[in-house]
Amino acid sequence: ETGVTQSPTHLIKTRGQQVTLRCSSQSGHNTVSWYQQALGQGPQFIFQYYREEENGRGNFPPRFSGLQFPNYSSELNVNALELDDSALYLCASSLEPVPTYEQYFGPGTRLTVT
Amino acid sequence: GQNIDQPTEMTATEGAIVQINCTYQTSGFNGLFWYQQHAGEAPTFLSYNVLDGLEEKGRFSSFLSRSKGYSYLLLKELQMKDSASYLCAVIRVGGATNKLIFGTGTLLAVQP
Repeated sequence: ETGVTQSPTHLIKTRGQQVTLRCSSQSGHNTVSWYQQALGQGPQFIFQYYREEENGRGNFPPRFSGLQFPNYSSELNVNALELDDSALYLCASSLEPVPTYEQYFGPGTRLTVT
Repeated sequence: GQNIDQPTEMTATEGAIVQINCTYQTSGFNGLFWYQQHAGEAPTFLSYNVLDGLEEKGRFSSFLSRSKGYSYLLLKELQMKDSASYLCAVIRVGGATNKLIFGTGTLLAVQP
């Protein structure tokens, strides 16, 4: 186990709804990255938070947003859900954004949009 | 841009050796990871290469050639529990962002 936890484990939402996913980092880690993994694909980088600020973003629309709290836990919010948002959402924490590169993944949240 | 290629599927026999290849084209390269992912679970770290050469860790070894944009993961003495997806991921650093670019993964089936 990596010490990174995510909640909920599974979630079913309807198209157009909003969802919030949560992640608790490994102790001492101040950087959290979020990834979307569609079935049969590799994880795709959504964004990274470092010390409560967004520190880089992938090719995802603005309806994907996030927060990082003073205790370095994090949230991923998705508005106006679409069917294609159905995926496994992974968060990964690391000691620093650079130069320590290893990221520790949580177990993921499986989101289904109907 | 960035592009990472891995075979989609491979099959091997228990006790054998298998090599999973990964080629990449990316700017700002700063290391390559291999992760193992069992179905429905999170990726788990296997290896990290930043310099050319072979890194050995028990039954698993990983090789990197930066000039060729090429890496491989070598699994020896295969066990049934090694059946999983193996993800090649390149670190691309732009500014202070530590961004992992993943391939689509290679699904390895180990047969008795």
